[in-house]
Amino acid sequence: EAGVAQSPRYKIIEKRQSVAFWCNPISGHATLYWYQQILGQGPKLLIQFQNNGVVDDSQLPKDRFSAERLKGVDSTLKIQPAKLEDSAVYLCASSRMWGATNEKLFFGSGTQLSVL
Amino acid sequence: SQQGEEDPQALSIQEGENATMNCSYKTSINNLQWYRQNSGRGLVHLILIRSNEREKHSGRLRVTLDTSKKSSSLLITASRAADTASYFCATRGSQGNLIFGKGTKLSVKP
Repeated sequence: EAGVAQSPRYKIIEKRQSVAFWCNPISGHATLYWYQQILGQGPKLLIQFQNNGVVDDSQLPKDRFSAERLKGVDSTLKIQPAKLEDSAVYLCASSRMWGATNEKLFFGSGTQLSVL
Repeated sequence: SQQGEEDPQALSIQEGENATMNCSYKTSINNLQWYRQNSGRGLVHLILIRSNEREKHSGRLRVTLDTSKKSSSLLITASRAADTASYFCATRGSQGNLIFGKGTKLSVKP
């Protein structure tokens, strides 16, 4: 089974520029997550989709971050404008369903963002 | 906010030794999961232990759970250089999402 695909692998931008990340989850997985992982810390959830609807975006900085999951498959995460503190790895994950407490997550390799 | 906290933050051992890392959490749980992250990669699920289980094994991994102390431990026996990675515990938040700790960085020297 193909894993979670993410692109690009690396991105370097200057502050105030915009950037977009793409994620293709495992086929058939209903739930998709975007996590932000700052160096030396654990992943922090930004947004969670169930099919194409948002389940939880309470920690998404909505003044600059946006995400969508069209047709309940692929997803894009956008930052506009970027700040220095947005430098992090952005991880996409998927799981078969939402709400099952024993669901495990499958992660992509992430996009490493550097904001200069 | 982070639910789980791993201890120690970093651990360095020789190949063949056992590695033990601990996780403490704050609220009641249905289960607890452990993940591994190799440098520059995404997280990989290792094992899930339910709240009614006290111990679980998977290959060289042994996980224990003490719900009275709100803590879990992950033991890797006969460690190998390939076990070098960061290890995270994760529990469910109130919204059903997985919340990760800061992780333990394990270095296994050949």
